[in-house]
Amino acid sequence: KAGVTQTPRYLIKTRGQQVTLSCSPISGHRSVSWYQQTPGQGLQFLFEYFSETQRNKGNFPGRFSGRQFSNSRSEMNVSTLELGDSALYLCASSLSPMNTEAFFGQGTRLTVV
Amino acid sequence: SQQGEEDPQALSIQEGENATMNCSYKTSINNLQWYRQNSGRGLVHLILIRSNEREKHSGRLRVTLDTSKKSSSLLITASRAADTASYFCATDAYSGGSNYKLTFGKGTLLTVNP
Repeated sequence: KAGVTQTPRYLIKTRGQQVTLSCSPISGHRSVSWYQQTPGQGLQFLFEYFSETQRNKGNFPGRFSGRQFSNSRSEMNVSTLELGDSALYLCASSLSPMNTEAFFGQGTRLTVV
Repeated sequence: SQQGEEDPQALSIQEGENATMNCSYKTSINNLQWYRQNSGRGLVHLILIRSNEREKHSGRLRVTLDTSKKSSSLLITASRAADTASYFCATDAYSGGSNYKLTFGKGTLLTVNP
């Protein structure tokens, strides 16, 4: 069974630009969560999607958004990038929101210059 | 805010020795999970222990859970250089309605010296 796939693996953007990251969950998993990992703040929850609906949202500004498609694939978007958005963005999939056993992708390393 | 807190922050041992990492959390949980992360890469799911379980084994891993103390420990026996990684505990914090979200600690950096 294929694991969680995140694309791209690495990204360099300049301040003010926007970026879209993609996540394909494990086949059969319908819940996708996104996390931001930085050395200072550790792993911070961004949001969770299930059945194309956002179920849960972390404490991030509105510049961070996401969506989920009918095939459970998810994208997250960050607009008006700031230097502090440089981080490893991790996607996790699970069977459902009630099943919190989560499996992570390799992440997308975003660098904002 | 972090629900789980790992202790110690860093641990350095020799190959063959056992490594023990601890995790404390603040609120009631359904499950507690341990993950491993190699430098700059994704998290690998190691083991899940439910709140009604006290101990669980998987290969060289042994996890204990004490819900009365709100703490868990991860023991890696007969460590290998390949075990060098950061280890995180994650708890499923209730966030309203029927929603739970995973909340991670800041991790323990384990270095196993050959």
